[in-house]
Amino acid sequence: DIQMTQSPSSLSASVGDRVTITCRASQSISSYLNWYQQKPGKAPNLLIYAASTLQSGVPSRFSGSGSGTDFTLTISSLQPEDFATYYCQQSYSTSALTFGGGTKVEIK
Amino acid sequence: QEQLVESGGGVVQPGRSLRLSCAASGFNFMTYGMNWVRQAPGKGLEWVAVIWHDGSNKYYVDSVKGRFTVSRDNSEKTVYLQMNNLRADDTAIYYCARYRRTPITRYYYMDVWGKGTTVTVSS
Repeated sequence: DIQMTQSPSSLSASVGDRVTITCRASQSISSYLNWYQQKPGKAPNLLIYAASTLQSGVPSRFSGSGSGTDFTLTISSLQPEDFATYYCQQSYSTSALTFGGGTKVEIK
Repeated sequence: QEQLVESGGGVVQPGRSLRLSCAASGFNFMTYGMNWVRQAPGKGLEWVAVIWHDGSNKYYVDSVKGRFTVSRDNSEKTVYLQMNNLRADDTAIYYCARYRRTPITRYYYMDVWGKGTTVTVSS
């Protein structure tokens, strides 16, 4: 199975900061990479699919980049509602989907 | 609006069975694949199973193969997860999620999620 490794596992940031989260795949997955946001007690919410396509309704301060094995999720100016846990997920192997371990974004 | 509602969770003893349901509304259910994703207490997301829109393909994470079965009834707009021989490490919130793909490039993603149903396996 394809392993997805996120870094860091947690970070502290202030409102207005630029935040970058990294996701690395154990093999090349082209652009078959999605990002989700999850707030405590809530279901995950799709932010970005196909590595860089913003899901409808998601604020433009979120962006995704990368292809192959290395991907990034960037929040250009962190807002109070962005404090949450973020997960990457590969869909290259449609018979064995995998998520990264998550990155918790906390208030500094 | 597009909605998924899971049900069927509860407390069950190890070795017993449970069937989860996920009812869809607000979209053409029969044209979408469906996933089950779980989250153990305090842990990350783990994909569990996927079923194609017509039920022709089903795939599972290794840890549930031979114990869990995903199925669907397109006339009832419902997807099921039959869980047999449950273990303590199956304890989790179980989410169903719609599986969508881009038309030409075939990039798949989960764009609609239910609120989840909690399964606790304990003696």
